[in-house]
Amino acid sequence: DGGITQSPKYLFRKEGQNVTLSCEQNLNHDAMYWYRQDPGQGLRLIYYSQIVNDFQKGDIAEGYSVSREKKESFPLTVTSAQKNPTAFYLCASSMGYGRDSPLHFGNGTRLTVT
Amino acid sequence: EDQVTQSPEALRLQEGESSSLNCSYTVSGLRGLFWYRQDPGKGPEFLFTLYSAGEEKEKERLKATLTKKESFLHITAPKPEDSATYLCAVLGLSGSARQLTFGSGTQLTVLP
Repeated sequence: DGGITQSPKYLFRKEGQNVTLSCEQNLNHDAMYWYRQDPGQGLRLIYYSQIVNDFQKGDIAEGYSVSREKKESFPLTVTSAQKNPTAFYLCASSMGYGRDSPLHFGNGTRLTVT
Repeated sequence: EDQVTQSPEALRLQEGESSSLNCSYTVSGLRGLFWYRQDPGKGPEFLFTLYSAGEEKEKERLKATLTKKESFLHITAPKPEDSATYLCAVLGLSGSARQLTFGSGTQLTVLP
């Protein structure tokens, strides 16, 4: 079955360490996204990519970095510069970029930094 | 700046008790309004896209409607398996490329 795989499901890190979250899709979608979800808040866009080797900052990109070397992969690195990294991180993809291309989400990675 | 407000924050219903969830929005030119369902610990699952005022979409016990200021998700005779958080999002003309604005969701609990 086609879908988006995020790993790991749970991740624990010490403050000051960088950590990379994996996102792989086999839907052959061009666009991929990273969102952050915090209790009581709407999803907030971190980064998005419309094509391989190109990506754009979202609303809350500070302290995060991404790469898009392959169409199916869009890893997110949470750096030590991110002040409040503990959150639920969601990766998504879409066939195109318009209103007729709803997002398909993975099942998330819950990151806890202590 | 696009804004989305969902109400209520939480809703508890008895099985079979119909109700509606509200999504109020302000957007600089609506290109689309999206409803998603999210189960605990999972990613959101796409339900509907609405494009213009007056439009309605249905799926099983769910019906989504749209006006120029808000959208409703009507749940008819809900079952316990309908328990989830329902998210609303809008796609406006502002912003670059694909940027959705999400509401914070309504957590629905249907009791047997």
